Amino acid sequence: QITLMESGPPLVKPTQTLTLTCTFSGFSLGTSGVGVGWIRQPPGKALEWLAFSLWDDDDKRYSPSLKSRLTITKDTSKNHVVLTMTHMDPVDTATYYCARCDVLPGAIYCDYWGQGALVTVSS
Amino acid sequence: DIQMTQSPSSLSASVGDRVTITCRASQSISRFLNWYQQKPGKAPRLLMYAASSLYIGVPSRFSGSGSGTDFTLTISSLQPEDFATYHCQQTYINPWTFGQGTKVEI
Repeated sequence: QITLMESGPPLVKPTQTLTLTCTFSGFSLGTSGVGVGWIRQPPGKALEWLAFSLWDDDDKRYSPSLKSRLTITKDTSKNHVVLTMTHMDPVDTATYYCARCDVLPGAIYCDYWGQGALVTVSS
Repeated sequence: DIQMTQSPSSLSASVGDRVTITCRASQSISRFLNWYQQKPGKAPRLLMYAASSLYIGVPSRFSGSGSGTDFTLTISSLQPEDFATYHCQQTYINPWTFGQGTKVEI
């Protein structure tokens, strides 16, 4: 059974750095074609793609508009993927999801998602 | 970034209705188009990938079509559990952008 769970602080202050951990089970990041992505959704708004880490250590993809603020790292031995976002602002208030994504010839999709972690940015 | 535009933004329908949602990409994305269903307070659920491939366990009343820039998701006979918000996503070019969502209401 594949599961993912996001964990991190529910409240951060403006200018602080957010660190979110995605803990997963039921699959390995060492498997070819498998990666973990991060997506967020502000309250009542659309989904926004943030970042993705493939099984290859060198293959990390970031949303260009947020690239300067995001870092994604993985600990294969602990089944963790960590997302850090610097310089948090109230507009970054959102539910943050991690998801397992499959990268296949002709298709890339995210089929397992965590329950989401609501992060509020406020002083 | 590739812009994904869904229409309509919301619709009202009844159980048994045939429902069609459209997603248009700002440039060609081949068939790298996914559809997700999301219910309030829940994570998105993958319905379709590669434009027309039904994901495991998804009822056959869901179907998808399209390529290039224009795509559709069709629910052949709307069921009570289908009232939700539907999102399209392109995975052709990073960032893998989503549409703004289509809310299907009773």
